Amino acid sequence: EPEVTQTPSHQVTQMGQEVILRCVPISNHLYFYWYRQILGQKVEFLVSFYNNEISEKSEIFDDQFSVERPDGSNFTLKIRSTKLEDSAMYFCASSRDRGDQPQHFGDGTRLSIL
Amino acid sequence: AQRVTQPEKLLSVFKGAPVELKCNYSYSGSPELFWYVQYSRQRLQLLLRHISRESIKGFTADLNKGETSFHLKKPFAQEEDSAMYYCALSGRRGGANNLFFGTGTRLTVIP
Repeated sequence: EPEVTQTPSHQVTQMGQEVILRCVPISNHLYFYWYRQILGQKVEFLVSFYNNEISEKSEIFDDQFSVERPDGSNFTLKIRSTKLEDSAMYFCASSRDRGDQPQHFGDGTRLSIL
Repeated sequence: AQRVTQPEKLLSVFKGAPVELKCNYSYSGSPELFWYVQYSRQRLQLLLRHISRESIKGFTADLNKGETSFHLKKPFAQEEDSAMYYCALSGRRGGANNLFFGTGTRLTVIP
């Protein structure tokens, strides 16, 4: 069964540095999402992406964040200048077509900001 | 604003006992509700969704709009059901299906 893959599994970065988290959605999926989960807290929606543009974003997704689909297969989340509070598990998800299709999640990237 | 509440962080039941994981929601529109499960060292995966009205691994969940609840139930718990369970609500905008999650309930089935 096809899966969403995320790299790296763990990223350690100095505060203030830029970080890029990578995701390869399932190939025939058209909707892409990023979520994050701070340790001990709930999974929170960050952004959804469709047709090469942001569909919706949460208040967490401020100017420090950006998403891109650079080459038709990867879907990236960039944090421009990381803060300590960005430390979390970041999950990528994708769904096939219209939003009533279930989302498939990746294993997540654990981001640790020092 | 949408909100999903899972009042129990931890729930332990004995094997063979019934289990109910509670979920209440708040949403101004017509909600779509889901249960996601995360087994140890595995990814989040969809367990069931209310529009399917199906039973997966013996679990069922009925959307009760009057009580704004979507409790997950199984009549006889199995050890392999031990996992983290998340209730989620869809805040659909256009075609996207942004999910809003509860804080999760960790179910432990005692042999």
